[in-house]
Formats: sequence, structure tokens, C-alpha cells
Amino acid sequence: DTGVSQDPRHKITKRGQNVTFRCDPISEHNRLYWYRQTLGQGPEFLTYFQNEAQLEKSRLLSDRFSAERPKGSFSTLEIQRTEQGDSAMYLCASSFLDSNYGYTFGSGTRLTVV
Amino acid sequence: DQQVKQNSPSLSVQEGRISILNCDYTNSMFDYFLWYKKYPAEGPTFLISISSIKDKNEDGRFTVFLNKSAKHLSLHIVPSQPGDSAVYFCAARLGGTYKYIFGTGTRLKFLA
Repeated sequence: DTGVSQDPRHKITKRGQNVTFRCDPISEHNRLYWYRQTLGQGPEFLTYFQNEAQLEKSRLLSDRFSAERPKGSFSTLEIQRTEQGDSAMYLCASSFLDSNYGYTFGSGTRLTVV
Repeated sequence: DQQVKQNSPSLSVQEGRISILNCDYTNSMFDYFLWYKKYPAEGPTFLISISSIKDKNEDGRFTVFLNKSAKHLSLHIVPSQPGDSAVYFCAARLGGTYKYIFGTGTRLKFLA
């Protein structure tokens, strides 16, 4: 197991287009998280899953954003009708049920909306 | 409403000296705290953690101190090494949740 994988690493899209990112967590981890990081800020929580159930969504996750984790394995994050303000690094992380030791993050997907 | 604050955007240190990175928080319901290190073009990497019931945790060159009354935690790196150049984030977890709230980060730089 090579850790948390995210694909693609970079994505440039035109405003108004839809984009989808994929995350493959560490296989033994039950929980999967999506965070967003903009320049000069720390990661901001977007949503998390326990197995296939989406248990919490941030108010940052507008109705243009949707996340899924079918079968409790990989996850996808889709952004519809992208806006320039969506430009950010999208980080996926996973953890065991006990999150006392934090998460293991992937390398992220950098989205640029032009 | 920034519940976790890192007021120093950057810190410069000489090799071999101590680095002290600070973090303040506002919510007394945080029950677990973490420090992460982030290199460019990589995701954050877990460094060290501390429970709210403790005031100190050590792991090699890294020690985290928690002062609950002041709502303050700090990360000490002794001795500092050039490979420690990175952005350091503190993060805090609300009790009863699995969500960590991150600070804005402090960039550790080395003086020649």
C-alpha cells in the first residue's frame, strides 16, 4: 500500500465546466476526508465518510459540490459549473476509526479555473 | 471565525538551534491536537499529537507542549536541521467529532 493516492495531480479547467477528482485511501482505513487549501491558508474541512456513509458536510460545500464513496473504497469529488473561486488544492485524507493519530493525506489535486 | 491561530507566518532559525512554533486556539471543547509538516507539492504529513489531558509529548527531536489555561500549544524542534524547512500546521479536534480544524501555518526557514 503506497498511501493515499489522488488523481489528477493538476487540473486546469475553464469557468463553467465540471470537474471530478478521485481519491484512493489506505485500504485499511474506514474514514475518508476531503479538505480544501487555498494560498496562505490551512486546510479547510469539506466533508467526511465513514465507509460509504457521508456523515458530515461543511457549509463550504455548496450545492455545486458533491462527494461520493461507493462501496466504502475510493471517493470522488465533483464540482459542477466551476467558478474562479474554486481554484485551490483539494486534499484527500484517510484514517482508522480512531483519529487520535490524525489523518494520512494524499498529495492533493491542484485545481485552476481560468 | 478562526478557532485555531498561528500568528507567525514564518520563523527563521539557525541549524542546531531550537525552533519554537506557536499555536493558539479559542474553543475549550478541543480534545486532541496535532502538528503536521508540509513540503511543497506534497500533502501534510503527521508529526506529533497531544491529548488535552496531557501537557507534554515527546518524539525524538520534537516536543509538543499544551497549556490549556492559556489555550496555547507549541512545537519545539531541537536541534533544528535544514531538512526541517517546511510549513508547519497545528490542528485541533472538536471533542466527539472526527474533524480537525487547521491553523494557517508557519513556514520554518533556515538562516545561512
